[in-house]
Amino acid sequence: GENVEQHPSTLSVQEGDSAVIKCTYSDSASNYFPWYKQELGKRPQLIIDIRSNVGEKKDQRIAVTLNKTAKHFSLHITETQPEDSAVYFCAATPYSSASKIIFGSGTRLSIRP
Amino acid sequence: NAGVTQTPKFRVLKTGQSMTLLCAQDMNHEYMYWYRQDPGMGLRLIHYSVGEGTTAKGEVPDGYNVSRLKKQNFLLGLESAAPSQTSVYFCASSLGSDSPLHFGNGTRLTVT
Repeated sequence: GENVEQHPSTLSVQEGDSAVIKCTYSDSASNYFPWYKQELGKRPQLIIDIRSNVGEKKDQRIAVTLNKTAKHFSLHITETQPEDSAVYFCAATPYSSASKIIFGSGTRLSIRP
Repeated sequence: NAGVTQTPKFRVLKTGQSMTLLCAQDMNHEYMYWYRQDPGMGLRLIHYSVGEGTTAKGEVPDGYNVSRLKKQNFLLGLESAAPSQTSVYFCASSLGSDSPLHFGNGTRLTVT
């Protein structure tokens, strides 16, 4: 069945450095790849998304890249700040069941001062 | 415009009891979803609906039932609660499967 794997499960970076989180998906026909940020005790919120006809998308300090051949996509956060500390989830919409949105297991990002 | 509203926020059940979680959205979204969130396991899809009167199974549907009698409401039922159903439950809605999810604030359920 559909599967989304996310690595690493925890990540600690120095404030100002970059953070990269990677996800792989199993359904080669998946076409929508969002990223969500969840602060402690809060609901997940969309931070960026990308569709299969695009290789890269950027929004200020956040960027997402998609490699359809390798079936993986990555979240890049540059110039990290304390408010970037949160759990980040990737997700994918499998083509075989286009109504589902399947999530990765999450990455807990900590920014060290 | 309240977005997605979940009730209740917290609930404690005893094994074997039943309850219904209510999700309401005022964004006229067609798609609605129920997820459960457990430590280290991310968000797992329980059931979803692509429109009024429709429901479908997600990744972990066993032990749950849903109904979508009105477009704005999506109900999640537990007929006979088990400790394994202790979790945080999130409802979400979207315009479509390739559109951003809007989440509610979650319901923390404990089954003893």
